[in-house]
Amino acid sequence: KQEVTQIPAALSVPEGENLVLNCSFTDSAIYNLQWFRQDPGKGLTSLLLIQSSQREQTSGRLNASLDKSSGRSTLYIAASQPGDSATYLCAVLIYNQGGKLIFGQGTELSVKP
Amino acid sequence: DADVTQTPRNRITKTGKRIMLECSQTKGHDRMYWYRQDPGLGLRLIYYSFDVKDINKGEISDGYSVSRQAQAKFSLSLESAIPNQTALYFCATSYSGRATGELFFGEGSRLTVL
Repeated sequence: KQEVTQIPAALSVPEGENLVLNCSFTDSAIYNLQWFRQDPGKGLTSLLLIQSSQREQTSGRLNASLDKSSGRSTLYIAASQPGDSATYLCAVLIYNQGGKLIFGQGTELSVKP
Repeated sequence: DADVTQTPRNRITKTGKRIMLECSQTKGHDRMYWYRQDPGLGLRLIYYSFDVKDINKGEISDGYSVSRQAQAKFSLSLESAIPNQTALYFCATSYSGRATGELFFGEGSRLTVL
């Protein structure tokens, strides 16, 4: 059974710092891995999607990497801003199980001005 | 307007009541999903549907049922609500013809069962 774990559960950093959020998964047979952002009381916004054949994806100040062999992904946020404060969720798509997305518990990020 | 719309956005009800959460989408996607989110547990899949006549159970389907009335509509029902079904519920869609398998989420429906 695929399990997805995110560490740390919560993170507080001062504005301007570069930071890394971690995601690990137990079964390397994934179709893709997605990173989402969730603001309090809101839905999920897709940030980056990495196909299983890819190693990384970049969007602005965000960079996500994928190492299937070790079952790990990282989300790197450069020059953090208070507006980056949110919960970040990673999820893996298990193609051989009918396209179900398995989520981690999330990392709650707080960027202090 | 949102591409994936959930109604109601907030609902408070009592134990034993029947509740329906509705989801409609204008993205033209064939696949639709219902998830629930609980603090510290991430999102867990309740039911999913790959087409109008296709319904599949997720990991926590007990106590729930769904109906795919049309390609654009997917409803989640709680026949007799209980307090541990208090959660934030999300509908999501994806398109089978898109190789990335990307999912798109609605804004969520917060359900409180007293």
